[in-house]
Amino acid sequence: GQQLNQSPQSMFIQEGEDVSMNCTSSSIFNTWLWYKQDPGEGPVLLIALYKAGELTSNGRLTAQFGITRKDSFLNISASIPSDVGIYFCAGHRDNDMRFGAGTRLTVKP
Amino acid sequence: EAGVAQSPRYKIIEKRQSVAFWCNPISGHATLYWYQQILGQGPKLLIQFQNNGVVDDSQLPKDRFSAERLKGVDSTLKIQPAKLEDSAVYLCASSISSGSYEQYFGPGTRLTVT
Repeated sequence: GQQLNQSPQSMFIQEGEDVSMNCTSSSIFNTWLWYKQDPGEGPVLLIALYKAGELTSNGRLTAQFGITRKDSFLNISASIPSDVGIYFCAGHRDNDMRFGAGTRLTVKP
Repeated sequence: EAGVAQSPRYKIIEKRQSVAFWCNPISGHATLYWYQQILGQGPKLLIQFQNNGVVDDSQLPKDRFSAERLKGVDSTLKIQPAKLEDSAVYLCASSISSGSYEQYFGPGTRLTVT
């Protein structure tokens, strides 16, 4: 099946720094989504992207749907302690959704 | 608006025992999903329901896993008999329809098989 490669696996940053993570696939997806998961909770949808080249923001978060439809990135600006968690990308195509393995973000105050 | 509810939150069983998980989706959401999330990995879809019909169960290990959504609302996922490798978090999600990619997840049930 389609595999999503998410990088980096983990990041340790200082509060106030910007963060960038990405997701790539060997297959094309029609929709890219980014989720955040806190310990002991289910993933929460952050941003959904529906068109190749689309750039969408949600507060300090910005995500882009790659032109090739095989990749997406997520940027977080001016990180704060509550940004800590695991960020997952997900690609959707033909009634099938696949998740990346996640990027674990640690923010040091 | 109430979110997706799941119970129990935690379950510890011995291998070869049976276990069942329950999910109540967001009111009005026609599509319900069960995912398995192994530690350190992203969620993996097990089964997708549209109302009370199965849309996709291609990744459900049918020799031991079963799921139902008889009245098109609540759903139950069962494992019988459990194996050590079934230890994972089982997440339920719902979306307003199968054409909507915005899925809303419950808190999950953490299963430990000893």
